[in-house]
Amino acid sequence: LAKTTQPISMDSYEGQEVNITCSHNNIATNDYITWYQQFPSQGPRFIIQGYKTKVTNEVASLFIPADRKSSTLSLPRVSLSDTAVYYCLVGDDTGTASKLTFGTGTRLQVTL
Amino acid sequence: DGGITQSPKYLFRKEGQNVTLSCEQNLNHDAMYWYRQDPGQGLRLIYYSQIVNDFQKGDIAEGYSVSREKKESFPLTVTSAQKNPTAFYLCASSVWTGQDSPLHFGNGTRLTVT
Repeated sequence: LAKTTQPISMDSYEGQEVNITCSHNNIATNDYITWYQQFPSQGPRFIIQGYKTKVTNEVASLFIPADRKSSTLSLPRVSLSDTAVYYCLVGDDTGTASKLTFGTGTRLQVTL
Repeated sequence: DGGITQSPKYLFRKEGQNVTLSCEQNLNHDAMYWYRQDPGQGLRLIYYSQIVNDFQKGDIAEGYSVSREKKESFPLTVTSAQKNPTAFYLCASSVWTGQDSPLHFGNGTRLTVT
């Protein structure tokens, strides 16, 4: 099972760009990299997913180097409402969502 | 709006009682999942279903049971055999069970057993 390592917590000021890096040294050829955001007492929300290179949507960018052993979630100009836990998920080469593992994530605290 | 509805938001039970958590989705998704989250922890998979009338055990299925009689419904029963049932329970769905199909979560049911 491909495991991920990400910082336990990060702090940022409002308006700054935040980059959260996730290590996944054992990522398999078929695995995607997926990020979710979770607010207290709510279910996680899908943010972004990528396989290689760079992916960008309206809320975030995902940078994936050529070796795919790590990935970086970039949140531009964060606001207080971005305070949440962010999970990086990588599968285990079976290609199924049922094999995704949610670790403890990165707790991002945004302040004024 | 399409989404996943979990009810109730809070549930209290006495030890020794079975309790059923509701999960309904109107996203027309084939796959549905149940996760458990303990304080400060990540999510752990209890059961999942790829299609109606089919379900598979996840990592921590002991003490739980599910059914999938309708595409839109995937209720979870927490039985008295579950040793530590107090937790935050999350239901999710996806188009299919492939990794490239993002999970859509409900807002959870917080179960307290005393």
